[in-house]
Amino acid sequence: DADVTQTPRNRITKTGKRIMLECSQTKGHDRMYWYRQDPGLGLRLIYYSFDVKDINKGEISDGYSVSRQAQAKFSLSLESAIPNQTALYFCATSDPTGSDEQFFGPGTRLTVL
Amino acid sequence: GQSLEQPSEVTAVEGAIVQINCTYQTSGFYGLSWYQQHDGGAPTFLSYNALDGLEETGRFSSFLSRSDSYGYLLLQELQMKDSASYFCAVTTGYSSASKIIFGSGTRLSIRP
Repeated sequence: DADVTQTPRNRITKTGKRIMLECSQTKGHDRMYWYRQDPGLGLRLIYYSFDVKDINKGEISDGYSVSRQAQAKFSLSLESAIPNQTALYFCATSDPTGSDEQFFGPGTRLTVL
Repeated sequence: GQSLEQPSEVTAVEGAIVQINCTYQTSGFYGLSWYQQHDGGAPTFLSYNALDGLEETGRFSSFLSRSDSYGYLLLQELQMKDSASYFCAVTTGYSSASKIIFGSGTRLSIRP
């Protein structure tokens, strides 16, 4: 079984709709992240959480919100989706000891029409 | 501001050696990581350098010079399966508030 899972894997929605992307992990890590990937722009950090009571904005948090429901669950919401939020979204976890290696989920491909 | 620079594309021949460079400008630097991402897949961790010098893991090596804000990933004995995008990433920030910033990625194409 995958250590980091994301649902849905693909989603097509319309402008103005509210969308929630969910992430679950079984690695027992406290740290969780949401990234967005666009062609030629690499991975950009949206939000991150170092424990259940800790939420931090990343470099591109506008238009997004998150909820850390439990150590294992971290959800990303788009309150009112717009076309330029069309992208590949990755959830990741990390263990802060050593390299802080990021363990990524399989990604969610979101298309906003 | 914080930034990482790496070439957008590199082409190499199967069996050869290729080096992918990364320069960075960040605050509170902790270390430099490298990730590999195949088309349609998720990034996977390759290596991490916190101190100056070369780290070797099989066919892959990674180098860091903190004084030059520079690092590179060296891939030897290239195989077709090494065709992928490679991202350098800096762990930055302060104390317990560190986070990772990724470069834009280098797409490596391998020719037979």
